Amino acid sequence: DVKVTQSSRYLVKRTGEKVFLECVQDMDHENMFWYRQDPGLGLRLIYFSYDVKMKEKGDIPEGYSVSREKKERFSLILESASTNQTSMYLCASSRGLAGADTQYFGPGTRLTVL
Amino acid sequence: EDQVTQSPEALRLQEGESSSLNCSYTVSGLRGLFWYRQDPGKGPEFLFTLYSAGEEKEKERLKATLTKKESFLHITAPKPEDSATYLCAVQDRSGGSYIPTFGRGTSLIVHP
Repeated sequence: DVKVTQSSRYLVKRTGEKVFLECVQDMDHENMFWYRQDPGLGLRLIYFSYDVKMKEKGDIPEGYSVSREKKERFSLILESASTNQTSMYLCASSRGLAGADTQYFGPGTRLTVL
Repeated sequence: EDQVTQSPEALRLQEGESSSLNCSYTVSGLRGLFWYRQDPGKGPEFLFTLYSAGEEKEKERLKATLTKKESFLHITAPKPEDSATYLCAVQDRSGGSYIPTFGRGTSLIVHP
């Protein structure tokens, strides 16, 4: 079974803090993704990576950065946390198939910024 | 632009009352359609991938079907533990994108 793990289930941070969210997958997947999920807005893509050290902006990259130094690990960084970044953050990975490429999700991190 | 619309937004069923969830989509060419189940406060759990019109897949009380414009997730004799939000996503064949487009989900509550 594919396993995607996220470093924390719940986090509480203060405005202006630098926040690191980590994601690890154990299936040698090429692609990794960060989403945020808010009520009424659905899943929104922040960043994705299709290879080590490669990254692409998603729909809402402002205020975020990412790092992928190793194939299995994809980190999301909030440079200076703000209250509007309070959300559920979901990491996903996929094999990178040319055909239908199923994403597998982690358990999520509920981030609250005070 | 790819679009995915799920209906209804919310559905309440009595235990044993079968029903269907709908996912309508518009893409240039379908690479795959995915169904996920999401429990409150958790990440989406993969259920099915459908590749082409006419395809069907089953898992316990769930059956997913696909036409050229929509997919249905049929729930037969649901139980309270089937209560969750069900998400649909589509992957377009054009543009070489890995990125699926997700619907907003259907929130299902099954009452005992």
